[in-house]
Amino acid sequence: GQNIDQPTEMTATEGAIVQINCTYQTSGFNGLFWYQQHAGEAPTFLSYNVLDGLEEKGRFSSFLSRSKGYSYLLLKELQMKDSASYLCAVLNAGNMLTFGGGTRLMVKP
Amino acid sequence: SAVISQKPSRDICQRGTSLTIQCQVDSQVTMMFWYRQQPGQSLTLIATANQGSEATYESGFVIDKFPISRPNLTFSTLTVSNMSPEDSSIYLCSANTGVHEQYFGPGTRLTVT
Repeated sequence: GQNIDQPTEMTATEGAIVQINCTYQTSGFNGLFWYQQHAGEAPTFLSYNVLDGLEEKGRFSSFLSRSKGYSYLLLKELQMKDSASYLCAVLNAGNMLTFGGGTRLMVKP
Repeated sequence: SAVISQKPSRDICQRGTSLTIQCQVDSQVTMMFWYRQQPGQSLTLIATANQGSEATYESGFVIDKFPISRPNLTFSTLTVSNMSPEDSSIYLCSANTGVHEQYFGPGTRLTVT
């Protein structure tokens, strides 16, 4: 079976840095995705990690440790528009995505 | 990348009726998926739509309730049959354009009264 855990909600201040953690236990691993989803919209792709380490893309970075079954998404210089749900998803050996419950991030002024 | 469109974008349906949702991708893709997202929750995979063969359903979802078609490499439909209020949800189509490239359609917001 598959189990993906992430915090339900987080709050952070505009301009700050926030780290959203994701732990997973899956049968087969072909990579880990982070998606951003604004209310009422479809998820949009943020990052993909398949090897251990940090992938940086502008204000967003994603880290993966396969041995620990752990990933995090790091958001720097937070903006109000970053208020959204952030979904961690694991791609299994059959190339199917399983999603965690999502983390609702609220950015306050 | 891929551009995915869905029709209808939203609908309000009566209990006991059926609704077919269409998903169109602007390029040929190997794998297409259907997800459900209930209010305030994350995405749950309903099934993988296989071109030329029956869809593969996840635990808790059956073909009689959610029949799926995949007539070619750019198009799929999901039917929600004999609807009840519990089927009120957002239904999302998704497609793989590569191993690590999975894109989502805008979703279909279904309300069953």
